[in-house]
Amino acid sequence: AQSVTQLDSHVSVSEGTPVLLRCNYSSSYSPSLFWYVQHPNKGLQLLLKYTSAATLVKGINGFEAEFKKSETSFHLTKPSAHMSDAAEYFCVVSDRGKAGTALIFGKGTTLSVSS
Amino acid sequence: ETGVTQSPTHLIKTRGQQVTLRCSSQSGHNTVSWYQQALGQGPQFIFQYYREEENGRGNFPPRFSGLQFPNYSSELNVNALELDDSALYLCASSLWSPSGNTIYFGEGSWLTVV
Repeated sequence: AQSVTQLDSHVSVSEGTPVLLRCNYSSSYSPSLFWYVQHPNKGLQLLLKYTSAATLVKGINGFEAEFKKSETSFHLTKPSAHMSDAAEYFCVVSDRGKAGTALIFGKGTTLSVSS
Repeated sequence: ETGVTQSPTHLIKTRGQQVTLRCSSQSGHNTVSWYQQALGQGPQFIFQYYREEENGRGNFPPRFSGLQFPNYSSELNVNALELDDSALYLCASSLWSPSGNTIYFGEGSWLTVV
């Protein structure tokens, strides 16, 4: 069965410093992986997705993630945090092979950014 | 804007009642999924419809049911509401193809069961 584990429930950074949100996955085959962001009282927004092309994936708002098969990891990074990055972040793996896609979400990491 | 619209945005129901949540997808999207997000948790997959037929279901009881219509709208129905059904319900739509798809989420419907 597919699953993801977000290793930190809460990450706090200062504005202008790097962001690292950690995610490990479990999959019986080559997975499709995603990072979604959810701002308070808002829906989910796709940051980036990995679908077996380049292992370094660039997303929106300066975020990127690297797929490491040997470590079964898909960590999200950003060189310099902005106050507007404060939100809930979800690492997600998809069930491939079905018409449509069932997404399996991690429990989320709350990112706080201080000035 | 994702092009996925959900209604109502907030509602309160009493335990034992029934509720219908609605979703309007992007034109042409042949797949719609529903997710339940309890407070402080990640969304959990309820079920998925492809071309108006259910083709995938998560670990939810039969009192959670749905419909997908030809006009790209869909419904989530929950019968015999329980207090634990209080959550944000998210609709997600996509145009599935063998080469992949991009999923778009609505902003959700907040359901409170009292």
